[in-house]
Amino acid sequence: EVHLVESGGGLVQPGGSLRLSCAASGFTFSSYAMTWVRQAPEKGLEWVSTMSGSGGDTYYADSVKGRFTISRDNSKNTLYLQMNSLRAEDTAVYYCATSYSLDSWGQGTLVTVSS
Amino acid sequence: DVVMTQSPLSLPVTLGQSASISCRSSQSLVHSDGNTYLHWFQQRPGQSPRRLIYKVSNRDSGVPDRFSGSGSGTDFTLKISRVEAEDVGVYYCMQGTHRWTFGQGTKVEIK
Repeated sequence: EVHLVESGGGLVQPGGSLRLSCAASGFTFSSYAMTWVRQAPEKGLEWVSTMSGSGGDTYYADSVKGRFTISRDNSKNTLYLQMNSLRAEDTAVYYCATSYSLDSWGQGTLVTVSS
Repeated sequence: DVVMTQSPLSLPVTLGQSASISCRSSQSLVHSDGNTYLHWFQQRPGQSPRRLIYKVSNRDSGVPDRFSGSGSGTDFTLKISRVEAEDVGVYYCMQGTHRWTFGQGTKVEIK
């Protein structure tokens, strides 16, 4: 069974940085692209970033490009999202999901950007 | 960027009746590989999203056959036959043909 566990969220000041992790199990991690999606409080879903299984291809939403970096360690079955220059509008629950079509999701981790 | 427009945004339904959600894209979702990457997700209150339907009409494992997806090109529909109490939540369409974009979400509630 696919299991995804996000961690690393918390309270950070505007302009600060945070690194999220997504620990994966139950499937061959290196064979699957992985995606980050976020959901601001009481709002809809927003695609953030996707990385191919090998890590060779990365994609970013315009809203985070240049500030966020997606990466993965296939030896540790873990996906990361490095978030820099954080803004209030980045406040959201961040989910990781498997593949390009988001077939399985984690429980999410809350990031709050506030002074 | 591809814009996904769902309607209605709120859908009160009677238990046992059917419900339909429309999702329209600003451009065709037919990929150069011939597939149409239009998916549907359900988010129950307090839970993470869950994929229900992939590539327009394919139900995910464990999804009741009350859920069905249809459509082509730019016009897609999610239908819930015989709505049950557990179907309450927000439903999102998402395209994955031109990068990725979600619709605004449709809130399904029981009348």
